[in-house]
Amino acid sequence: KQEVTQIPAALSVPEGENLVLNCSFTDSAIYNLQWFRQDPGKGLTSLLLIQSSQREQTSGRLNASLDKSSGRSTLYIAASQPGDSATYLCAVRHQNSNSGYALNFGKGTSLLVTP
Amino acid sequence: NAGVTQTPKFQVLKTGQSMTLQCAQDMNHEYMSWYRQDPGMGLRLIHYSVGAGITDQGEVPNGYNVSRSTTEDFPLRLLSAAPSQTSVYFCATTGGYEQYFGPGTRLTVT
Repeated sequence: KQEVTQIPAALSVPEGENLVLNCSFTDSAIYNLQWFRQDPGKGLTSLLLIQSSQREQTSGRLNASLDKSSGRSTLYIAASQPGDSATYLCAVRHQNSNSGYALNFGKGTSLLVTP
Repeated sequence: NAGVTQTPKFQVLKTGQSMTLQCAQDMNHEYMSWYRQDPGMGLRLIHYSVGAGITDQGEVPNGYNVSRSTTEDFPLRLLSAAPSQTSVYFCATTGGYEQYFGPGTRLTVT
């Protein structure tokens, strides 16, 4: 079974800092990897999707990288703002899943950006 | 274009009661799924469907039932609620690449 681990579990940084969230997965036979943001009591908002053939994706201040062979992805947030405070979830879709398009989720990194 | 909608947003049940969580999508996607999210556990797959009339079990299917009569709707039924089913439930859909999630239903079973 694909295991997805996110480190750190929680992170607190002052506004303006650049930061990196880490995600690792045990089975490198993935189809794609998706980063989500979840605000307290809310649903999941998709941030970035990286296909297995890609190395990185960028959207605004966010950059996600993928190293499939080592089973790692990072989410880089530049110039953090208090509005970035949320839980960030990493999810992997396996290449030959017997659950169709199901995702395996990490437990998330809870980010707090202080003014 | 509402995307994925879920009702109700909140629900409190007594042990042994049954209920149906509703999920609808207007994206014309074939694949739909249900997850539950528990503190410290991450999201786990309950059931999924690859199209109307086709459903299958995920990682934690016990105590839940699903059916898929239309492309748009994928209801999740709790047959006899138990306190262990207290959780936040998310419905999701995908057209093959990105997954889109509903806003969730927060369920408490007392």
